[in-house]
Amino acid sequence: DIVMTQSPDFLAVSLGERATINCKSSQSVLYSSNNKNYLAWYQQKPGQPPKVLIYWASTRESGVPDRFSGSGSGTDFTLTISSLQAEDVAVYYCQQYYETLPFTFGGGTKVEIK
Amino acid sequence: EVQLVQSGAEVKEPGESLKISCQGSGYSFTNSWIAWVRQMPGKGLEWMGIIYPGNSDTRYSPSFQGQVTISADKSISTAYLQWSSLKASDTAMYYCARSGPGAGISSWFDPWGQGTLVTVSS
Repeated sequence: DIVMTQSPDFLAVSLGERATINCKSSQSVLYSSNNKNYLAWYQQKPGQPPKVLIYWASTRESGVPDRFSGSGSGTDFTLTISSLQAEDVAVYYCQQYYETLPFTFGGGTKVEIK
Repeated sequence: EVQLVQSGAEVKEPGESLKISCQGSGYSFTNSWIAWVRQMPGKGLEWMGIIYPGNSDTRYSPSFQGQVTISADKSISTAYLQWSSLKASDTAMYYCARSGPGAGISSWFDPWGQGTLVTVSS
């Protein structure tokens, strides 16, 4: 299995400040034939199912605010919230969907307001 | 609107069997993979397995192979997750989720069902 390691586990950020979450995969999720990184980011608010924010490592899902952005390639990825809002309090997960099953998730990063 | 609606919460005793469901609407049910994801209390997301309702092609995570059965009835646009003998350690929220539009098996999940809480206790 590809192991996805997120850091930090917990992040407290002041309103309006930047939040940065890291995700590292145990092997590359970059598919050379199409130059795409098979990596998604999800947001899960309390009592709700996860919701996709970013796919292909950097493509924002329709309707997702532009303060959310994804970057990285190969094995190292980052989700950035440029200006944290109160409604962004949630747990964030990365997931690889590269060719090898299972399509594993990171352990999650809990984001709260400082 | 693309939607996945799951069956309601269940409370079962150890050793009992259970089948929970996930009904899709607003899209062609036979043309997208449906996955099941477990979330144990206070924990993260675990990919369990996936099915293509069009031909019932099913793949399992090694961690869940032999522990659960995934199936689908395309005539009623519904996928299932079932256990033959529940254990207390099966207590969790279970989500179904659809592979992204126009994508094959290697895809992100969107949307997700609302979740089915399964509680196994004597």
